[in-house]
Amino acid sequence: DIVMTESPDSLAVPLGERATINCKSSQSVLYTSNNTNYLGWYQQKPGQPPKLLVYWASRREIGVPDRFSGSGSGTDFTLTISSLQAEDVAVYYCQQYYSAPFTFGPGTRVDIK
Amino acid sequence: QVQLEQSGAEVKKPGASVKVSCKASGYTFTSYYLYWVRQAPGQGLEWMGWINPKSGGTSYAQNFQGRVTMTSDTSINTVYMELNRLRSADTAMYYCARGDIVERGPHDFWGQGTLVTVSS
Repeated sequence: DIVMTESPDSLAVPLGERATINCKSSQSVLYTSNNTNYLGWYQQKPGQPPKLLVYWASRREIGVPDRFSGSGSGTDFTLTISSLQAEDVAVYYCQQYYSAPFTFGPGTRVDIK
Repeated sequence: QVQLEQSGAEVKKPGASVKVSCKASGYTFTSYYLYWVRQAPGQGLEWMGWINPKSGGTSYAQNFQGRVTMTSDTSINTVYMELNRLRSADTAMYYCARGDIVERGPHDFWGQGTLVTVSS
């Protein structure tokens, strides 16, 4: 199975500042035949199901604010919130869907400082 | 609009089975894979497997092999996840989520979740 790790475990950022979450996979999730990274990012708020933010590592889901962006390739990925808003307080998960089981990272909790 | 409506909360005794349903609407049911993901209280997300609603084909995570069965009923646009030989560690919120037209894809729409509690 592909093991996903995230760092940091949690972070607190002042309103309006940048938040950066890192995700690493134990093996590459880049499918070379189509040059596509099989990596997604999800946001989960308390009492709600996860919500897809970014897929194929860098494509923003429809309706997701443009302050959210994904980057990276191969085994190292980043989710950036360019200007943290109060409504962004949540746990963020990365997931690989390159190889079943489609494993998730342990999550990063983001709070306001 | 795409919706996944899951069945209500369940309380089961250890050793029993539970069957959770997920009814899809707002899209062509047989065109997209459906996944199951669970989340124990206060914990992270654990991927359980997928089903192709059109063919009935399935793939299960090793952790659940032999205990889980996913099925689909195309006449009512519903998929089911049955988990057998329940133990207290199976207490969790169970989610269905829509995938892609192929087996590997992002999970773009999620059900509201079904809480399964296993307790003697």
